[in-house]
Amino acid sequence: GQSLEQPSEVTAVEGAIVQINCTYQTSGFYGLSWYQQHDGGAPTFLSYNALDGLEETGRFSSFLSRSDSYGYLLLQELQMKDSASYFCAPFSGGYNKLIFGAGTRLAVHP
Amino acid sequence: NAGVTQTPKFQVLKTGQSMTLQCAQDMNHNSMYWYRQDPGMGLRLIYYSASEGTTDKGEVPNGYNVSRLNKREFSLRLESAAPSQTSVYFCASSEARHRGSGANVLTFGAGSRLTVL
Repeated sequence: GQSLEQPSEVTAVEGAIVQINCTYQTSGFYGLSWYQQHDGGAPTFLSYNALDGLEETGRFSSFLSRSDSYGYLLLQELQMKDSASYFCAPFSGGYNKLIFGAGTRLAVHP
Repeated sequence: NAGVTQTPKFQVLKTGQSMTLQCAQDMNHNSMYWYRQDPGMGLRLIYYSASEGTTDKGEVPNGYNVSRLNKREFSLRLESAAPSQTSVYFCASSEARHRGSGANVLTFGAGSRLTVL
């Protein structure tokens, strides 16, 4: 079967660094995506890891360890606008099938 | 460039009524998807279409039907709405037909909020 775990909520202050972990179990795994969703908005793509290691995109970085079925999203220099839900989504099987977890709600405080 | 357009944005139905959610994308993407999002449940895949002319079930297909009308359009139909189908529905598209470059970048529509009384 498939399983996906990430913390339900994370709180941090402006300027800090926060890491959102994701562990997954799925067959036919190809890579791990991360999406951001602000309240009332649509999910938007942040990053994708197909290989082990760190991918950096500005203030955001994403890491994957295929052997551990584990990944994380690292957000640096947090800003108030980073308050949102963050979803990890393993990409597995057949045709572009992306399964999302329940997401992690990040609250950034002054 | 509109991206992914969903209609309607809001809809209230009575139990047993039927309706169709429309979705269109103008990015020439091959693959299209319908997700539903409920509080605390994240996004769950209802149906997807890898390419024009094909559709497949996702995690929660019961109570829904889909039509891939052409490359641009992918509709979701509720034949007999139930309160359990109260949710926010998102349509999405991606450019790749097979796993590989671009396969994971989904572009979502703004969502359709459906309430079934």
